[in-house]
Amino acid sequence: NAGVMQNPRHLVRRRGQEARLRCSPMKGHSHVYWYRQLPEEGLKFMVYLQKENIIDESGMPKERFSAEFPKEGPSILRIQQVVRGDSAAYFCASSEGRRETQYFGPGTRLLVL
Amino acid sequence: QKEVEQNSGPLSVPEGAIASLNCTYSDRGSQSFFWYRQYSGKSPELIMFIYSNGDKEDGRFTAQLNKASQYVSLLIRDSQPSDSATYLCAGDSGGYQKVTFGIGTKLQVIP
Repeated sequence: NAGVMQNPRHLVRRRGQEARLRCSPMKGHSHVYWYRQLPEEGLKFMVYLQKENIIDESGMPKERFSAEFPKEGPSILRIQQVVRGDSAAYFCASSEGRRETQYFGPGTRLLVL
Repeated sequence: QKEVEQNSGPLSVPEGAIASLNCTYSDRGSQSFFWYRQYSGKSPELIMFIYSNGDKEDGRFTAQLNKASQYVSLLIRDSQPSDSATYLCAGDSGGYQKVTFGIGTKLQVIP
């Protein structure tokens, strides 16, 4: 019974490159959430998705960031033209329903050089 | 407008003492509340959830919910240095009634 899976666990990119972060929710979970966490700071909500739909993207920067959760396959958080300020830990969580417990993946640590 | 609020701390308690972590929420329609623990460099892990007014105990942890005061707390009895972490409070508040998180309280248990 695998938990939430994220890959890669660590990602190094140079400024201007693209970063793709993947999240596979727990079995039976159709709600996915992405969070960003800077060192010594709290979790910042980015986006909430259900299969094929973006429900709430109020925490997403307007430019360069996008997210999807296709019918088949993992959810993907995509950051285009990365900048040093994008360096952070990105956590994905999943739940059975929108009010249910969220279970977190191990995170992807993005470092932009 | 913040929906789930916590003091960021740090909260320091001596080993063996009771640590009391507090959280308030603004949405009276909130029904479910969760406490997560996050060690430095790790992902948040669920400790407890509570839906009903009153206390809920699990080992050394007790969650308390007071809907009239819109207040949630987590008590940790016999605190251990291994309890030193950031504790995140979450509630189903805000738009779409999804679970949203407070900023987290950093707890330091001093040996």
